[in-house]
Amino acid sequence: GDSVTQTEGLVTLTEGLPVMLNCTYQTIYSNPFLFWYVQHLNESPRLLLKSFTDNKRTEHQGFHATLHKSSSSFHLQKSSAQLSDSALYYCALSGNYNVLYFGSGTKLTVEP
Amino acid sequence: DAGVTQTPRHEVAEKGQTIILKCEPVSGHNDLFWYRQTKIQGLELLSYFRSKSLMEDGGAFKDRFKAEMLNSSFSTLKIQPTEPKDSAVYLCASSLTRVGAEQFFGPGTRLTVL
Repeated sequence: GDSVTQTEGLVTLTEGLPVMLNCTYQTIYSNPFLFWYVQHLNESPRLLLKSFTDNKRTEHQGFHATLHKSSSSFHLQKSSAQLSDSALYYCALSGNYNVLYFGSGTKLTVEP
Repeated sequence: DAGVTQTPRHEVAEKGQTIILKCEPVSGHNDLFWYRQTKIQGLELLSYFRSKSLMEDGGAFKDRFKAEMLNSSFSTLKIQPTEPKDSAVYLCASSLTRVGAEQFFGPGTRLTVL
């Protein structure tokens, strides 16, 4: 079946340090869409970025990710963490239909 | 344009009660999703509709959970009977039917079952 793995449940960083949140997936689809959704405290999830193209970097709001089909990965990165980046981050996968298969989420806390 | 709306925002129920949660998708969106969110399980799919047809329902939730789309702009999620383990945030989301389309989430309903 389809599944997404986020290995880190909690990540704590100091402001200004780089961010990397891991995401790997398994799927039967040859052309899956991969997504990162972000959920700030007391808000609903919203799309941060998505990708369909192998080995192409996708960027939005200072974050970037590259879909690597060879390793089934879609890690989220940012060069310098900000306090406002503290949130819950979900990696997700969709195939032919728009059903999202979510990972378990990574809670990112950025400290001063 | 209005986003996804959900009512009520908060619901407190006694064990064994029937509760109905409501959702209005973004106008023009034909895909509608119900999710349950808990700290332990994260986001779990309950139901998925495309153009009012039920496409998928979360197998583990068939027993007491029933989602319906009464028309293209209104959906309900009924939980009957409620149990304390149903305490969670219930999120409704909608999207265009285009493959890879972004899902837009509503504000959620926080359900507490005593």
